[in-house]
Amino acid sequence: QKEVEQNSGPLSVPEGAIASLNCTYSDRGSQSFFWYRQYSGKSPELIMSIYSNGDKEDGRFTAQLNKASQYVSLLIRDSQPSDSATYLCAVYLSGGYNKLIFGAGTRLAVHP
Amino acid sequence: DTAVSQTPKYLVTQMGNDKSIKCEQNLGHDTMYWYKQDSKKFLKIMFSYNNKELIINETVPNRFSPKSPDKAHLNLHINSLELGDSAVYFCASSQDAGGGSGAFFGQGTRLTVV
Repeated sequence: QKEVEQNSGPLSVPEGAIASLNCTYSDRGSQSFFWYRQYSGKSPELIMSIYSNGDKEDGRFTAQLNKASQYVSLLIRDSQPSDSATYLCAVYLSGGYNKLIFGAGTRLAVHP
Repeated sequence: DTAVSQTPKYLVTQMGNDKSIKCEQNLGHDTMYWYKQDSKKFLKIMFSYNNKELIINETVPNRFSPKSPDKAHLNLHINSLELGDSAVYFCASSQDAGGGSGAFFGQGTRLTVV
């Protein structure tokens, strides 16, 4: 079982819609969760972090965490073509591992 | 004033050669990493250093040798390059040991072995 799983996509949404990106993880002891955005040919950019159950909002982005279900998601409201990128979910493995593990990423395409 | 910078950005070399990639961060972070991103875009940790000490060494061939002269610098030397080493190598840094507060990435080095 992969440690961090994401649908590879592409997820195609029309401009102005809500894009919903999902991620599941296997380590129940994980405490820190991150979303990165990576444009083609560029480096991953940290856009959201979440540490406790519930929602965390930052502008058009909302991260949601459910530790009981081992599930973290990212909602992008009012999606823009400039949001088209690959979104990487990352989970911090503690308990002696102490490393950040990435999912394979979901490619998002926002069409006008 | 780039936070995490690595050089070179592109590297094309022949099989069997030895090459180095350099990385520097000016964020004052204690921990630095090397990640490899393959053609399928999967980002996998290779090494991490905390204050110049190696703390993570994933299953990476011995041909890869990281060196950290100080906590702001982490270099990667690769001996006897193979075709399968072609990938994008990212340097990253974080405030804590392991990335529990998130990691910040350099612009990447695209290595092509021919």
